[in-house]
Amino acid sequence: GENVEQHPSTLSVQEGDSAVIKCTYSDSASNYFPWYKQELGKGPQLIIDIRSNVGEKKDQRIAVTLNKTAKHFSLHITETQPEDSAVYFCAASTPGSSASKIIFGSGTRLSIRP
Amino acid sequence: KAGVTQTPRYLIKTRGQQVTLSCSPISGHRSVSWYQQTPGQGLQFLFEYFSETQRNKGNFPGRFSGRQFSNSRSEMNVSTLELGDSALYLCASSSSILGTEAFFGQGTRLTVV
Repeated sequence: GENVEQHPSTLSVQEGDSAVIKCTYSDSASNYFPWYKQELGKGPQLIIDIRSNVGEKKDQRIAVTLNKTAKHFSLHITETQPEDSAVYFCAASTPGSSASKIIFGSGTRLSIRP
Repeated sequence: KAGVTQTPRYLIKTRGQQVTLSCSPISGHRSVSWYQQTPGQGLQFLFEYFSETQRNKGNFPGRFSGRQFSNSRSEMNVSTLELGDSALYLCASSSSILGTEAFFGQGTRLTVV
């Protein structure tokens, strides 16, 4: 069945450094890839997304890249700040299909060291 | 614009009981989906409703059910609760079909004792 693998499961970086989280998906029909940030006691928050007709998308300090051939996509956070500490989830879905649903990765706990 | 609202936020139930959770989507959103989040299994898809019809269902037993009303509000029900049903239940709403931008509520933390 559909599967999304996410690495690493935990990541600790020095404040100001960059953080990279990588995901691989199995369903070649997937064409929408959102990233969510979940802080303690809150629901996941959509922070950026990318569609299969785009290779890269940036929003201030956050960027996402997609390699559809390799079925890889990655989240890049530059100039990390303490408020970036959270659990990040990648996901893949196939909007428009009769079986549309979002498949999530297992999450990455990102800690920013002051 | 108000976000996705889930009630109640916290719930404690006894094994064998049933529970109903509620979700009010963002105004104008017609798709509501439900997820179960546990430390061991992560975020798992339960089902999706669009215009009062269940469009898709995850791999959960029949004890898990849901419905959507004409105003797009949704409820999910779990009958004959088991200890393993303890989890954070999240609702997400989308403006159209699931798979486009989905916005989550804060969830309902269910504890089964």
